[in-house]
Amino acid sequence: GQSLEQPSEVTAVEGAIVQINCTYQTSGFYGLSWYQQHDGGAPTFLSYNALDGLEETGRFSSFLSRSDSYGYLLLQELQMKDSASYFCAVRSAADYKLSFGAGTTVTVRA
Amino acid sequence: DTAVSQTPKYLVTQMGNDKSIKCEQNLGHDTMYWYKQDSKKFLKIMFSYNNKELIINETVPNRFSPKSPDKAHLNLHINSLELGDSAVYFCASSQDHVNTEAFFGQGTRLTVV
Repeated sequence: GQSLEQPSEVTAVEGAIVQINCTYQTSGFYGLSWYQQHDGGAPTFLSYNALDGLEETGRFSSFLSRSDSYGYLLLQELQMKDSASYFCAVRSAADYKLSFGAGTTVTVRA
Repeated sequence: DTAVSQTPKYLVTQMGNDKSIKCEQNLGHDTMYWYKQDSKKFLKIMFSYNNKELIINETVPNRFSPKSPDKAHLNLHINSLELGDSAVYFCASSQDHVNTEAFFGQGTRLTVV
């Protein structure tokens, strides 16, 4: 089966940088994805890493190290609207299951 | 146009009742899912269909029965509802069964009283 671990919560001030780490165990691997979910909303796709390295999309970047089974999501220039839960997810090559971590609640303070 | 739409958005019902949640996607995706999100926000896969065929069937009570009449629709029927079924149920779709970009519906908040 798959397991993903990420911190449960992070608090930071506006303008700061936050890094959310994710370690995973899976049978086979199609890549690491990140999703954002605001309270009362649906998860929305943020980024995907299939290969090692850093992917940058505006203020958000995502990193993957396949050899370490580790990745992170970097949120830069934090804004109040970034307060949300962030989930890492992996797709297993063994059973095609798309599994999510327990989520990290990011709270941005003024 | 909503990409993945599910109805109803809210559902309050008594224990023992039977209820259904409907889901439709207009993205032309091959794969659809049902996830359950509990009060601690954990997203748990329940079922996955690829081109109308069931490919993932997690350890879910057999009171839960999915049905995919075509690849654009995936419905969830729940029999004999229990208090522990209260949760938010999300329908989602992806282009295929290996793509990790999933599109989620707005969720159905089910409350069993």
